[in-house]
Amino acid sequence: GQQVMQIPQYQHVQEGEDFTTYCNSSTTLSNIQWYKQRPGGHPVFLIQLVKSGEVKKQKRLTFQFGEAKKNSSLHITATQTTDVGTYFCENGQNFVFGPGTRLSVLP
Amino acid sequence: DAGVTQSPTHLIKTRGQQVTLRCSPKSGHDTVSWYQQALGQGPQFIFQYYEEEERQRGNFPDRFSGHQFPNYSSELNVNALLLGDSALYLCASSLGGTRGSLHFGNGTRLTVT
Repeated sequence: GQQVMQIPQYQHVQEGEDFTTYCNSSTTLSNIQWYKQRPGGHPVFLIQLVKSGEVKKQKRLTFQFGEAKKNSSLHITATQTTDVGTYFCENGQNFVFGPGTRLSVLP
Repeated sequence: DAGVTQSPTHLIKTRGQQVTLRCSPKSGHDTVSWYQQALGQGPQFIFQYYEEEERQRGNFPDRFSGHQFPNYSSELNVNALLLGDSALYLCASSLGGTRGSLHFGNGTRLTVT
């Protein structure tokens, strides 16, 4: 199936620093979803990207879908301790989740 | 507005036993998907039910089966449990058999000893 890879696997940042996670596919994606899972919690839907080159913002979060629709990124500006968790991308065509990027924020 | 509810929250079973997990979708949703999440990993898609039929299936053996009822609730059954089946089982609901945003329940933590 169409796998998606995510980098980095882990990211430790100081509160206030920026954070970016990348999602990559070897094949073109019809759409991609991003989810956040807090420690001990369940995945929570953040956004869906469908169009080539699409950019969407949610407060301090910026989501991008690559022009070739093979990659996507999630950028968080000025991280806060509430941003702690694992961020997953999902290939919306075949229900495949990436392995996730675990973010820890040091106060 | 009721969210996705799953029961039980925790379960301990012995190898070889069978287990049934239950899920009620978010109010207004008619599609249920099941995922297995091992510790430290991303959710792995098991299958999706829509209109009481299995519509899509991931790479899981036939020991994993499911059912959807007329009220859209769903069950996940796992037979002949293996130690490797220990995981968090997540149910997610959506609308119209589509791949729109998934709303996840809190999951059932299954431990096989």
